[in-house]
Amino acid sequence: QVQLQESGPGLAKPSETLSLTCAVSGSSISSESYYWGWIRQPPGKGLEWIGSIYYTGSTNYNPSLKSRVTITLDTSKNQVSLKLSSVTAADTAVYYCARHLHMGANTVLDYWGQGTLVTVSS
Amino acid sequence: DIQLTQSPSFLSASVGDRVTITCRASQGISSYLAWYQQKPGKAPKLLIYAASTLQSGVPSRFSGSGSGTEFTLTISSLQPEDFATYYCQQLNRYLPLTFGGGTKVAIK
Repeated sequence: QVQLQESGPGLAKPSETLSLTCAVSGSSISSESYYWGWIRQPPGKGLEWIGSIYYTGSTNYNPSLKSRVTITLDTSKNQVSLKLSSVTAADTAVYYCARHLHMGANTVLDYWGQGTLVTVSS
Repeated sequence: DIQLTQSPSFLSASVGDRVTITCRASQGISSYLAWYQQKPGKAPKLLIYAASTLQSGVPSRFSGSGSGTEFTLTISSLQPEDFATYYCQQLNRYLPLTFGGGTKVAIK
């Protein structure tokens, strides 16, 4: 079955770059059928879509984060990575990776990782 | 960006109750809407997409309806495992994906 597992440091310092990896099993990130992306959720708050990437390397980012976000693929490891630069306390959140299934003009997030909490603090 | 407003933000209900949650979009989004269920400490789970299509494996007591700017999620007979927070999400791939603020369904 499809599984996604996020990993990375649980603590980041203000102004530094947050880096996370999502290991995917049961589905190839090189498939034409899917995008792969990231969503975050600050403690006790709602969900915010960060961005996504296609196997070609084409990316879509949330305009509110676009200047600080980079999402990449490592096809040899079947992994998706997220980098968020110049972090502040407002970036403290649980970060989820998710498979984006395109059905025509629709994009549904049909598989999610368990999430990883990143705290931004000095 | 398309803004999604859910109502109510909180509701308390009893097992067996019929529950309805509304999601309103700031502009028309046709049927490009999904509903997710999230339990504490867990990732969201896809329930419904394209406004009314039930994801495989989701119980039939869940249903969705609507198009344009107003959508509803209905649970026909609330079960103990349904107490959770529910989010709507606009699905148009050509726009930034956005979520509603969430509706927490608690036990009365």
